Amino acid sequence: GENVEQHPSTLSVQEGDSAVIKCTYSDSASNYFPWYKQELGKGPQLIIDIRSNVGEKKDQRIAVTLNKTAKHFSLHITETQPEDSAVYFCAASMNTGFQKLVFGTGTRLLVSP
Amino acid sequence: NAGVTQTPKFRVLKTGQSMTLLCAQDMNHEYMYWYRQDPGMGLRLIHYSVGEGTTAKGEVPDGYNVSRLKKQNFLLGLESAAPSQTSVYFCASSQGQGLAPLHFGNGTRLTVT
Repeated sequence: GENVEQHPSTLSVQEGDSAVIKCTYSDSASNYFPWYKQELGKGPQLIIDIRSNVGEKKDQRIAVTLNKTAKHFSLHITETQPEDSAVYFCAASMNTGFQKLVFGTGTRLLVSP
Repeated sequence: NAGVTQTPKFRVLKTGQSMTLLCAQDMNHEYMYWYRQDPGMGLRLIHYSVGEGTTAKGEVPDGYNVSRLKKQNFLLGLESAAPSQTSVYFCASSQGQGLAPLHFGNGTRLTVT
């Protein structure tokens, strides 16, 4: 089945620095790659997603890149702010007769003022 | 607009007890899901539903049952709770299958002693 590996598990940066979180997936048929942000005590919330026909997508300070050949995708956050501190999950679609998402294990990002 | 609402927020059970977790969504979504979140393991799919009256098994269905009697509600049952079911449970809904954004509730923290 699909396996999604996510690194690093924790990431500490200074406010204003950039943060990069990387994920690899195993199923070459995966075609949808969302990123979710989970704040303390809340459920995950979609922040950006990318489909397999696109190599990069940006939304203000966040961007996602996809390398289908290498089967990896990354989340880039520029000019980090304390409110970016959260747990981030990547996911990849998997089709077993039903399209579902397989999640990575999460990255705890801490942005220090 | 409440989105996805989960009740209760917290619960402590003794081994062997039973309980039902409730999930309600007001977005008229066809698809609903139950995930469990454990440290270092990300989000794992327990059961899902593709519409009223339907249910299907996810990655980790053992020890759980579900029902979708009404389109807006998805119930997760534990018939005989075990310590291994100590986790945070998230309900989610979506308009479509794996390529559609998931909308999560804020979770239920369950402890089984």
